[in-house]
Amino acid sequence: KAGVTQTPRYLIKTRGQQVTLSCSPISGHRSVSWYQQTPGQGLQFLFEYFSETQRNKGNFPGRFSGRQFSNSRSEMNVSTLELGDSALYLCASSSGQNTGELFFGEGSRLTVL
Amino acid sequence: QKEVEQDPGPLSVPEGAIVSLNCTYSNSAFQYFMWYRQYSRKGPELLMYTYSSGNKEDGRFTAQVDKSSKYISLFIRDSQPSDSATYLCAMYFGNEKLTFGTGTRLTIIP
Repeated sequence: KAGVTQTPRYLIKTRGQQVTLSCSPISGHRSVSWYQQTPGQGLQFLFEYFSETQRNKGNFPGRFSGRQFSNSRSEMNVSTLELGDSALYLCASSSGQNTGELFFGEGSRLTVL
Repeated sequence: QKEVEQDPGPLSVPEGAIVSLNCTYSNSAFQYFMWYRQYSRKGPELLMYTYSSGNKEDGRFTAQVDKSSKYISLFIRDSQPSDSATYLCAMYFGNEKLTFGTGTRLTIIP
């Protein structure tokens, strides 16, 4: 059974640009969550989607957005990039049955110059 | 005060030693408790998943939850160099949102 797949794995952008990250969940999983991981703040929750609907959102500015498609694949977008957006962005999938059991991908490492 | 507190380490122990990793939390609503292991440049991997107070054992790993003290622990017996990683505690009460500790970086010295 394939795990969670994230693309791209690494990317470099400059301030002011925007970026789109992609996530394919484990087959059969309908919930996709996104987390930002930085050395100073650790893992912080961005948002969660289930059946194409955002069910929960963390405390991030509106520059951070996401969506989920009918095949459960998800994308997140960050507009007007800032230096502080440099981080590892992790996608996690779950069955959506409210157990908290999340399975993470390897992440997309974003560097903003 | 953070909802979940975890000593960031780093922690270095010799191979074969018993490792104890701990987290405390403040939110009584947390119902599920997890430990994730994260190797360098990889995503977190679910290691242990517990619901109730008490111990849960899986091979060399034992997860312990004390809800009355709001304290959880992970014990690693007969530690191996391959156990060198960052260990993250995580807690859950709903909405598919996990609250993580900052992680403890562990190194097992051969």
